[in-house]
Amino acid sequence: QKEVEQNSGPLSVPEGAIASLNCTYSDRGSQSFFWYRQYSGKSPELIMFIYSNGDKEDGRFTAQLNKASQYVSLLIRDSQPSDSATYLCAVNQAGGSYIPTFGRGTSLIVHP
Amino acid sequence: GAVVSQHPSRVICKSGTSVKIECRSLDFQATTMFWYRQFPKKSLMLMATSNEGSKATYEQGVEKDKFLINHASLTLSTLTVTSAHPEDSSFYICSASSPISYNEQFFGPGTRLTVL
Repeated sequence: QKEVEQNSGPLSVPEGAIASLNCTYSDRGSQSFFWYRQYSGKSPELIMFIYSNGDKEDGRFTAQLNKASQYVSLLIRDSQPSDSATYLCAVNQAGGSYIPTFGRGTSLIVHP
Repeated sequence: GAVVSQHPSRVICKSGTSVKIECRSLDFQATTMFWYRQFPKKSLMLMATSNEGSKATYEQGVEKDKFLINHASLTLSTLTVTSAHPEDSSFYICSASSPISYNEQFFGPGTRLTVL
């Protein structure tokens, strides 16, 4: 059974700090990896996706993928209170019809 | 970016009635749509995968006769909660995948169902 694991948190960081969110997955056939942000009472919204080993940066966000170790992480630099949300990691297999697997999400709290 | 809409955004109904929720991909064709349910402070739970023109695939524990899914076109999938009961009250979210974007999922805004 495919599994995606995340620490539920909450992860609490001060404003301006770097928040580090981690995700591990069990299926070595996984090909693409997504980070979604979900505010309370709202649906998830995509922050980033990554499919190659290494780092991918987009503004204050950096996704890091290590397929050998089967983990993917999300770094948020200069954290803001508005970043406080639940962050969901999702893992897909390649091509065709598939079912994405979501982690339970990590709650992030950025305090002023 | 791709937009997915859901209607209604909020619905309150009496126990025993049926409720239909629509999910539309507005600017792309979605061969696959997903239906999720999320209880307060709980994780996203996949209910079923809906493929255009074929029967939906339900996750274990989800009653197919209670949660009817129809994916009649490449831009529309519907979820009907039949004979709703208070325990069906939840946040229902659909998503559509775009194969041209690494199968990224685009989520609808969700439907808050309250069954009295």
